[in-house]
Parts: sequence; C-alpha cells; structure tokens
Amino acid sequence: DTAVSQTPKYLVTQMGNDKSIKCEQNLGHDTMYWYKQDSKKFLKIMFSYNNKELIINETVPNRFSPKSPDKAHLNLHINSLELGDSAVYFCASSQRYNEQFFGPGTRLTVL
Amino acid sequence: QKEVEQNSGPLSVPEGAIASLNCTYSDRGSQSFFWYRQYSGKSPELIMSIYSNGDKEDGRFTAQLNKASQYVSLLIRDSQPSDSATYLCAVNSLSDYKLSFGAGTTVTVRA
Repeated sequence: DTAVSQTPKYLVTQMGNDKSIKCEQNLGHDTMYWYKQDSKKFLKIMFSYNNKELIINETVPNRFSPKSPDKAHLNLHINSLELGDSAVYFCASSQRYNEQFFGPGTRLTVL
Repeated sequence: QKEVEQNSGPLSVPEGAIASLNCTYSDRGSQSFFWYRQYSGKSPELIMSIYSNGDKEDGRFTAQLNKASQYVSLLIRDSQPSDSATYLCAVNSLSDYKLSFGAGTTVTVRA
C-alpha cells in the first residue's frame, strides 16, 4: 500500500498551459504539504493544509493554487506555466507537526 | 526565518567506515529534528527523528543533538554502498508545521 501517492509522475507541457497534480495519503494524517525541489535540489515548502484549512502559504506566484477537498487529498493547480516552474513537486503528509512523509514526486518539465 | 546549514559535500567514505554528517540551525526555539535520505531521482525518506539532547541509535544510524550548541549530527556506521545518497537535515518548532530543510550533504560510499 502506497502511503502518499501523486499523479502524474511525469508531466511535460508547453509554456502557457494549465496543469494539475494530485496527491492522496492513506495514513490518516491531518496535514498535507506541497514542496518544490529545484535543479539545485533545495527543498522548499509552498503550501500546507491542516484539516482542509490553509495554514502555510509561502511566497509563491498566485498562478499556483492548492485545493484540499478532504483531509486525504491535496491537489495543486498551476496556471500559465512558465519555464521556471520546471522542478520536482513533492506532496507530503503528517499528523499535526510531527514527522512528514513524502510522496514519490512529480517531475514537471515546461518547454 | 529558520536557517539550517549542513556541511558541504560531497562526502566520500570507504565501505565499512563511519560517515559523519553535521547540521546547525539558527532558531533556538527549534524542538524537532529530522534526518531524511534522498536517493537520486527519488523522494526524501525519513530515517531518524530526535527531540531530546543526546544520542539516538537506530541500527547503523546514530543521531546526536546538542540544543545548547544548536547542532545535530548523523553518524552512519559500517557504511555500505547502498548508503550513497543525499542526506537532508530538517528542523521545526513544536507548534510549527513548517519544516526548514538544509541544502543536503551528498554521501558516496566507495566499495
């Protein structure tokens, strides 16, 4: 059983397109996160939801919009994709502020 | 803004040796400390968490925490080629969902 899953694993798209990444966790956790890992491998928090409430919203372009339909799901929608959005996006979950467990990642390439 | 610094790599050790990884953090209010291992092209995997001063051992891994010196380390004993990966130090406060990650130290174990 996969604890934290993401789809798709790879996403290749043209500049200006809109795309979504989906995340699901079956750990029963109440908090979910989106991270971006750039080419230099630095892992940076983007958003976090606790019980469907947005609790972390870092300085991220408003082209990025997270949505949490329930505690087990957190999706990331990106409008008007730019070259600089190319990165690996990781979803993670935790029970409150305890250990975070990561999904397999989505490698986004914007052409 | 919490800052987390890790010793710059890459760190190359012979098989069977001890690999020593260091991490310092700037926020004295930090209470939770984690080590993640990330293989190339994979997601971060939690390998150790430590909350109290002193040592915590789990198999070949030992985490050491010194809050007075704002220092946390990871020792890998009897290093194996399978330990070759990037190790990420992460820190947060008890009431803070936001994990701050270091830039990572890449370890290569030579057979």
